[in-house]
Amino acid sequence: EAQVTQNPRYLITVTGKKLTVTCSQNMNHEYMSWYRQDPGLGLRQIYYSMNVEVTDKGDVPEGYKVSRKEKRNFPLILESPSPNQTSLYFCASSSNRATGETQYFGPGTRLLVL
Amino acid sequence: AQSVAQPEDQVNVAEGNPLTVKCTYSVSGNPYLFWYVQYPNRGLQFLLKYITGDNLVKGSYGFEAEFNKSQTSFHLKKPSALVSDSALYFCAVREYTGGFKTIFGAGTRLFVKA
Repeated sequence: EAQVTQNPRYLITVTGKKLTVTCSQNMNHEYMSWYRQDPGLGLRQIYYSMNVEVTDKGDVPEGYKVSRKEKRNFPLILESPSPNQTSLYFCASSSNRATGETQYFGPGTRLLVL
Repeated sequence: AQSVAQPEDQVNVAEGNPLTVKCTYSVSGNPYLFWYVQYPNRGLQFLLKYITGDNLVKGSYGFEAEFNKSQTSFHLKKPSALVSDSALYFCAVREYTGGFKTIFGAGTRLFVKA
């Protein structure tokens, strides 16, 4: 089954404790992206990757890091989480052939930073 | 810069009646427009997209959307609403600026009453 998986699905942590949210896709997609969803703000793009070893900032990259060492994986790293990073996070992937390619989303990771 | 507006936080409709969820956009080039739906505790599911061609786009679950270039709108429609259509709907625009960036609207919650 074609899918995007994220782990963990739920996470409670404390301020300053480094964490990583993993994302993996099995569709051989070149493009992957991270979003955060907050009430009243919709989804906002954090980082994206056009291909292996190619990453760039989205609209809200502060406090986050990413890496793309393999095509299927795109982890999101919070090196020193803060309460304002409490949110619902989604990973997505698509082909990078054209702007109109459909993105496929993971199930989401709900993060609470105390 | 691209932007997306969903002017209604919530839309209420009776089962069997037609529904419309509004979306307006602003882009500097050709618009690549998407609608996604989010059910409770689930990720985003793709409904439909406009790339080029016919202004009326048909998608999943009986939904369709009308692209109107002069009004810069991409409203989501369905002729006969179902209670199971109750969910959160997002309009999005994607743009290539050296990489694929996506801007989402704030979302519209649809309530379909039996």
